[in-house]
Amino acid sequence: DAGVIQSPRHEVTEMGQEVTLRCKPISGHNSLFWYRQTMMRGLELLIYFNNNVPIDDSGMPEDRFSAKMPNASFSTLKIQPSEPRDSAVYFCASSRTGGGGELFFGEGSRLTVL
Amino acid sequence: AQSVAQPEDQVNVAEGNPLTVKCTYSVSGNPYLFWYVQYPNRGLQFLLKYITGDNLVKGSYGFEAEFNKSQTSFHLKKPSALVSDSALYFCAVRDWGGSQGNLIFGKGTKLSVKP
Repeated sequence: DAGVIQSPRHEVTEMGQEVTLRCKPISGHNSLFWYRQTMMRGLELLIYFNNNVPIDDSGMPEDRFSAKMPNASFSTLKIQPSEPRDSAVYFCASSRTGGGGELFFGEGSRLTVL
Repeated sequence: AQSVAQPEDQVNVAEGNPLTVKCTYSVSGNPYLFWYVQYPNRGLQFLLKYITGDNLVKGSYGFEAEFNKSQTSFHLKKPSALVSDSALYFCAVRDWGGSQGNLIFGKGTKLSVKP
């Protein structure tokens, strides 16, 4: 199994630009999560999908952030417009539905907004 | 509300010595508990989990964790530390609140193993 695949691994952009992060979950997993990791705040859940439907987006910082999951094998996290405070590592994770299922993480997308 | 606490920001151990990384939890439902490891510039890797059954759980890379219900703890242990174990370790608990599929993570403990 290829694992969770994220792209790009690194993104450097200027304030005000649109950023799109991509994720391909593990085949057969029906839950998908977007997390953000910073030194100050640690790991924060941004949004959680189950069977392609957003279940909890309470962690999305503001309207500048949006996430979609058009099918079971692809999700995007978009920031528009980006700001320097959005600089962080963004992780995608997937799992099988069920309380005992562990999450499998991608390698992350490191975003730097200048 | 569900939460986990990792009381130590950093743990320093000499190679060959036993190591313990501490975690305590607070849950309103069944305590489904997890440990993850993160190496520099990498994603989180699953080490082990406790769902039910034996209180001593064995996982990857020789790690184990002991579930203690009375102390609400789930400490990660290894009998003999390796320099390559140096990494960031996260304890997590299943969120039985709004996002029932989600894991709530502790702040992480940096483990440093010196030769």
